[in-house]
Amino acid sequence: DAKTTQPNSMESNEEEPVHLPCNHSTISGTDYIHWYRQLPSQGPEYVIHGLTSNVNNRMASLAIAEDRKSSTLILHRATLRDAAVYYCILRRGVNYGGSQGNLIFGKGTKLSVKP
Amino acid sequence: NAGVTQTPKFRVLKTGQSMTLLCAQDMNHEYMYWYRQDPGMGLRLIHYSVGEGTTAKGEVPDGYNVSRLKKQNFLLGLESAAPSQTSVYFCASGRGSDLRDTQYFGPGTRLTVL
Repeated sequence: DAKTTQPNSMESNEEEPVHLPCNHSTISGTDYIHWYRQLPSQGPEYVIHGLTSNVNNRMASLAIAEDRKSSTLILHRATLRDAAVYYCILRRGVNYGGSQGNLIFGKGTKLSVKP
Repeated sequence: NAGVTQTPKFRVLKTGQSMTLLCAQDMNHEYMYWYRQDPGMGLRLIHYSVGEGTTAKGEVPDGYNVSRLKKQNFLLGLESAAPSQTSVYFCASGRGSDLRDTQYFGPGTRLTVL
């Protein structure tokens, strides 16, 4: 399974942008980059995903490096409700050694937001 | 539309007891999953199902059994609980194995084995 590397923790101030980095130097051409987050005492929830181009949705933006070896999840204005563990996950197809649809979770980045 | 629900929310067992955790989804998803999460760790896959009547082993299947008799339900059983199975259990569902598909998670079941 393709591995990702994330900082253990990050801090942010409320209403400021947050950039959460993820390194995935062994990414292959068909791997998708997914981000999930887990709020305290809740199950993970999907945030965003992308392949090559930058992506935006109502929750966040995903910036993917040109060589795809790293990506950054951007929260444009952090709120207290964004305090969570953020997981960067690579999804690789079964034909390329990936798993049958399941997600491989690392330890993620614990984001703290200060008022 | 309730999404993914899990029953029960909390449970305390004694070593050797058995129990079944129930997961239900109302999104007509083909794939369902059981994960466990230990303190300070990410989730690890126990078993999964790619459709009604199918099951398959994940990363940490020992000590657990599963059944998917109905498309909307996925049951996780512990035949003889051990303290090492103290964990938070999450169920998830998804449309399939397309790399763009997302998974939807339940709220979790916190299990303590004494």
